[in-house]
Amino acid sequence: QITLKESGPTLVEPTQTLTLTCTFSGFSLSTNGVGVGWIRQPPGKALEYLALVYWDDDKRYSPSLRGRLTITKDTSKNQVVLTMTNMDPVDTATYYCAHWTSGGYFDYWGQGTLVTVSS
Amino acid sequence: QSVLTQPPSVSGAPGQRVTISCTGSSSNIGADYDVHWYQQLPGTAPKLLIYGNKNRPSGVPDRFSGSRSGTSASLAITGLQAEDEADYYCHSYDSSLSGSVFGGGTKLTVL
Repeated sequence: QITLKESGPTLVEPTQTLTLTCTFSGFSLSTNGVGVGWIRQPPGKALEYLALVYWDDDKRYSPSLRGRLTITKDTSKNQVVLTMTNMDPVDTATYYCAHWTSGGYFDYWGQGTLVTVSS
Repeated sequence: QSVLTQPPSVSGAPGQRVTISCTGSSSNIGADYDVHWYQQLPGTAPKLLIYGNKNRPSGVPDRFSGSRSGTSASLAITGLQAEDEADYYCHSYDSSLSGSVFGGGTKLTVL
């Protein structure tokens, strides 16, 4: 059974750096063809892809946010960490991590964590 | 503005059939990349509904079906039920962006 859970601060001040952790179980991020991605959703708005780390440690980022994002994996801890620098109120959103398959889709999602950017 | 275009809303009466379109371009759906669909019930995380254009994960009723043609894809829901009221998102890969792209989402209302 695959599960994922996001954790991190619920409130971040503008210009600060956000660090989110995705802790998962039921699969290994060293298995060929597996990945973990981050997707966010501002209140009342659509899903937005942020970043993806693959089993071989290859990493991909959304071009619109590439300079602000860093994604890393710790296979031994079954965790993936996303950092986003220079936070702004427009970054207020629910942040999801999800299990990615080689078929190109996200088949298991975490419950999401709401991050509010405000002073 | 999303790379994949969906109608903001659709509606139908119980028992009816509705379709949700997802229009892309030559760098995503038109480049033969697969389309996937997610259902997001109010206050919950998205759930995979259709993968690889037309395949249903275990547990998804066969009332849900997907198709792809050219630069577009569609999700069809037959025998509409009140529990189908949710937001629906299409998802694909875009070669010019080198990453995943989502549609803007469609809110389904069951009348």
